[in-house]
Order: sequence, then C-alpha cells, then structure tokens
Amino acid sequence: GESVGLHLPTLSVQEGDNSIINCAYSNSASDYFIWYKQESGKGPQFIIDIRSNMDKRQGQRVTVLLNKTVKHLSLQIAATQPGDSAVYFCAEIAAGGTSYGKLTFGQGTILTVHP
Amino acid sequence: EPEVTQTPSHQVTQMGQEVILRCVPISNHLYFYWYRQILGQKVEFLVSFYNNEISEKSEIFDDQFSVERPDGSNFTLKIRSTKLEDSAMYFCASSFQRPNTGELFFGEGSRLTVL
Repeated sequence: GESVGLHLPTLSVQEGDNSIINCAYSNSASDYFIWYKQESGKGPQFIIDIRSNMDKRQGQRVTVLLNKTVKHLSLQIAATQPGDSAVYFCAEIAAGGTSYGKLTFGQGTILTVHP
Repeated sequence: EPEVTQTPSHQVTQMGQEVILRCVPISNHLYFYWYRQILGQKVEFLVSFYNNEISEKSEIFDDQFSVERPDGSNFTLKIRSTKLEDSAMYFCASSFQRPNTGELFFGEGSRLTVL
C-alpha cells in the first residue's frame, strides 16, 4: 500500500550544527506534507508544511524541501539546539481534497543534539 | 495559547473492559481526530469527525471503536471490549480547517495499557 517512510532512524549532531532529516514517500498523488516534532511524553507538534506546488518553504530556523521527481522530503534545522532533540515525523495527506484527516505518518527519526 | 487537552493521561484496564478516552479540542475548531501510536511505532490515523458525524475512518477503527461529541466541548473515543493489542498512546487532534488546508493540533495523549 501507499506509505511514507524515513531513510535514517537516528541522527546525532553537535549543538550549533545544521541537521537534515529525510523522508521518502510513495504516494505520487500526495498534495500536502507536514513535519511534526514529538518530544518525549507529548503529542506531535506541527513544525512546517509544504504543498506539492512548491519545492521549498522556510520557517524560523527550519526549511522543508520537496523533490517530487524522486518523492523525497527533507527538513533542515539550522543551528540545532539541545531543545530540538525529539522524534521528527513527516506526514502526508492525499490529494483531491476528499480526505478528512487521514494523515499518513512516517516511522520517525530520533534527533539527538549534544551540547 | 489554546491547546487540546486529554484525560486520562494513563489508564490501565483489563482485557474485555470498556474504556472511554476524553478530549477537549480547541474551542473554535471544527474537525476532530483520533490517532494512536503503539510504542515505538508510527502514529496511525483512526478516525476523523466533522459536523457531528464520522468523516473518515481507518481499517483499525472497527466495530469495537466509537466516537462521540456529547456536548459542545468534549470529544470521546470509546473502546467497547479492549484487547491486548489496543495498548497504545491515543492522541486526539483538532483543526479549524480541513487537514489538507491547515495544521492539526494534537493533545499530549492518553496512554492505554490493557492487561
């Protein structure tokens, strides 16, 4: 079936480094992609989103890149801080406007930032 | 800042017992969701709810599950006869817009342990 998955399950970086978290998706009809951050014991927290008609979107210290040709999504975190340590999930939702909430989540990448 | 709140934070129950998980979505939101996350696995969609009815549900959401919005503020998930494999973290979420036009806000989750 259709799925969203991640290349790397864990990522360790030093404080101040830039982090890149990757995600592959298989549903070419996906219209909307979201990155969530999940800290221990908490629910997923929205970070940034991107639509399929874009290939890049920037937020505060975060950038999402979308490569539809190879169905690849990445999250770049600039100047990573210890507070960025969490599990990061990509999620997608099917195109067509008919879906009412069925986000499909990837497996998650554990980001650990060392001081 | 408005947030989605969930109760209980942790519930332990015996197999076969009924469980009700409660959620108070953000007050002006119109779309409501339940997701679950089995320990160490990805977040999975269960059901979405809009205009007092289920909009979409996954194959996980079988006859043992039901949702209700009994009043203007609560949104509940009921599991009629719990099974061991129902042990998971259950997340409630809400959004003002449809999910492919806006972000979902997640609660901190209710951990269900079925013995």
